[in-house]
Amino acid sequence: QAQLVESGGGVVQAGRSLRLSCAVSGFTFSEYAMHWVRQAPGKGLEWVTVISNDGGYKFYADSVKGRFTISRDNFRNTLYLHMSSLTAEDTATYYCARSKDGYNPKFLPHDWGLGTLVTVSS
Amino acid sequence: QSVLTQPPSESARPGQTVTISCFRSTSNIGGNYVYWYQQLPGTAPKLLIYGHDQRPSGVPDRFSGSKSGTSASLVISGVRSEDEADYYCAAWDDSLRAGVFGGGTKLTVL
Repeated sequence: QAQLVESGGGVVQAGRSLRLSCAVSGFTFSEYAMHWVRQAPGKGLEWVTVISNDGGYKFYADSVKGRFTISRDNFRNTLYLHMSSLTAEDTATYYCARSKDGYNPKFLPHDWGLGTLVTVSS
Repeated sequence: QSVLTQPPSESARPGQTVTISCFRSTSNIGGNYVYWYQQLPGTAPKLLIYGHDQRPSGVPDRFSGSKSGTSASLVISGVRSEDEADYYCAAWDDSLRAGVFGGGTKLTVL
């Protein structure tokens, strides 16, 4: 049973940075691509970024390109999202999610974590 | 505005069949797989359908998916009260090189 546990959320001032983590268990982390998806309060889901199983490729939504960086540590079974130059529009619950595939970014999330809330205050 | 368009709401009585549509506004989704997610109030999304019409283990066969041309559909047969949730379609956009979600459909069970 795949388990994904996000952490690192909280209240941060606009313009500052924050790093989210996602600790996984129950599957071989290094075999799967991983996504981050976010949801602003009361709004729909927004895809944020994906990283291949070996970190060889990364794709980002236009809304975060140049500000957010996805990375992974396959030895620590942990996914990261480094967010910088945060604005109020980045306020959301951030979900870590596992793909069905290791390398093809077109395979969207299968398993999801419970999410961590990021609130950007002005 | 998302490249995937869903009706904002649908409603059904218990036992009825409801269809939630997902219309692709550009050709950039092409033949890429369509996914459907269910989000119950206050919970994380859950995968319902992948690969247009495949159900993960544990998802009741009341839920089915299909794709035809520029549209995809989620059909819930024999709707139950516990199906009241938000439903999202999603796919990969080759032009954006990004995943995209529809705006979501809130299903109300009357």
